[in-house]
Amino acid sequence: AQSVTQLGSHVSVSEGALVLLRCNYSSSVPPYLFWYVQYPNQGLQLLLKYTSAATLVKGINGFEAEFKKSETSFHLTKPSAHMSDAAEYFCAVKEDGANNLFFGTGTRLTVIP
Amino acid sequence: GAVVSQHPSRVICKSGTSVKIECRSLDFQATTMFWYRQFPKQSLMLMATSNEGSKATYEQGVEKDKFLINHASLTLSTLTVTSAHPEDSSFYICSARGGPRDGTDTQYFGPGTRLTVL
Repeated sequence: AQSVTQLGSHVSVSEGALVLLRCNYSSSVPPYLFWYVQYPNQGLQLLLKYTSAATLVKGINGFEAEFKKSETSFHLTKPSAHMSDAAEYFCAVKEDGANNLFFGTGTRLTVIP
Repeated sequence: GAVVSQHPSRVICKSGTSVKIECRSLDFQATTMFWYRQFPKQSLMLMATSNEGSKATYEQGVEKDKFLINHASLTLSTLTVTSAHPEDSSFYICSARGGPRDGTDTQYFGPGTRLTVL
């Protein structure tokens, strides 16, 4: 069965510092991988996705993620945090041909001024 | 493109009443829609998968008669919480699969509906 692990339920960074949110998945074949962001009392917004094309995926708001098959990871990064990046981030995985997404438990990002 | 709306955004109802939540894909046709439930500070829990013109597929532990799902068209799915009770209070989020440029593997999420049952 698919599973997604997000290490660190809470991450705090200073404004301007590097953002690194970790995501590891379990799958015997490379799946489709997604990062979503959720602001308070709102739905999820797609940040970026990996669909077996380039392993380094660039998303919106300056975020990017790198698919590493050997590490079964899809960590999300941003070179310089902005106050507006404070939100909940979810990693999700979908196997090819499957219907639904499996979500990680989420990581709350706090940006310190 | 790929916008999903939900209505209402917030609803408060009395125990025992039924509540209907609408999910619409505004600029694309969604053959599949998903309904999730999210408890405070937790991840999303898939409740059911809804395919246009057919019965919804419910996840284990989700009561079919409690949470009625109808997907009558390619742009509209509804979730009706029947005889709601306080424990049904939650944040309900829908998503739709299929977009104008992103193929069929991306789910686009609605803004969510906050249900409070008194």
